[in-house]
Amino acid sequence: AQSVTQPDIHITVSEGASLELRCNYSYGATPYLFWYVQSPGQGLQLLLKYFSGDTLVQGIKGFEAEFKRSQSSFNLRKPSVHWSDAAEYFCAVGPAGGYNKLIFGAGTRLAVHP
Amino acid sequence: GAVVSQHPSWVICKSGTSVKIECRSLDFQATTMFWYRQFPKQSLMLMATSNEGSKATYEQGVEKDKFLINHASLTLSTLTVTSAHPEDSSFYICSALGGAPGSYNEQFFGPGTRLTVL
Repeated sequence: AQSVTQPDIHITVSEGASLELRCNYSYGATPYLFWYVQSPGQGLQLLLKYFSGDTLVQGIKGFEAEFKRSQSSFNLRKPSVHWSDAAEYFCAVGPAGGYNKLIFGAGTRLAVHP
Repeated sequence: GAVVSQHPSWVICKSGTSVKIECRSLDFQATTMFWYRQFPKQSLMLMATSNEGSKATYEQGVEKDKFLINHASLTLSTLTVTSAHPEDSSFYICSALGGAPGSYNEQFFGPGTRLTVL
């Protein structure tokens, strides 16, 4: 079955600390992988995506993610968190060749302490 | 570019009434739009895929007579929640599939509509 698992429901970090949000997927075919961020009451904004090639992808707002096929993971990282990064983060997987039918993880809520 | 709007941003209605939510791609044409539902503190669940000029494709378990989807133009899709009940209260998010010719299509998300049924 196709699924996305985000093991951490809620994470709290101090401002300036590093961040890693975990994402594991189960997908029968070659997956396209995405990270989105959602601020309270807002829609989703794409942070970054992986299709192929270099397994370390850079995104907006200083985020990066690394695709590890052997571990079926696509973890999101940021070296230094800002208070404005507090939001909900969703990992998603979709079929190669199109953005159709994205499957989303349950999300990780990030809180940032000053 | 690639902006998707939703209207209204929030709506409160009485049980038994119908509510229409609009999703517009403002600066690009989208032959395909998606409708998602999000419960509090939960993830997005795909409800249906809306294709311009044809019937929507609903996900398993989604009542097509309850959630009417119309995609009459390349920039507008509507979701009508018919005979709404309190259990229909949720955050509804649409996305539009778009991209430059020859490039990979991307889903651009709207800001969402919060529906509260009393």
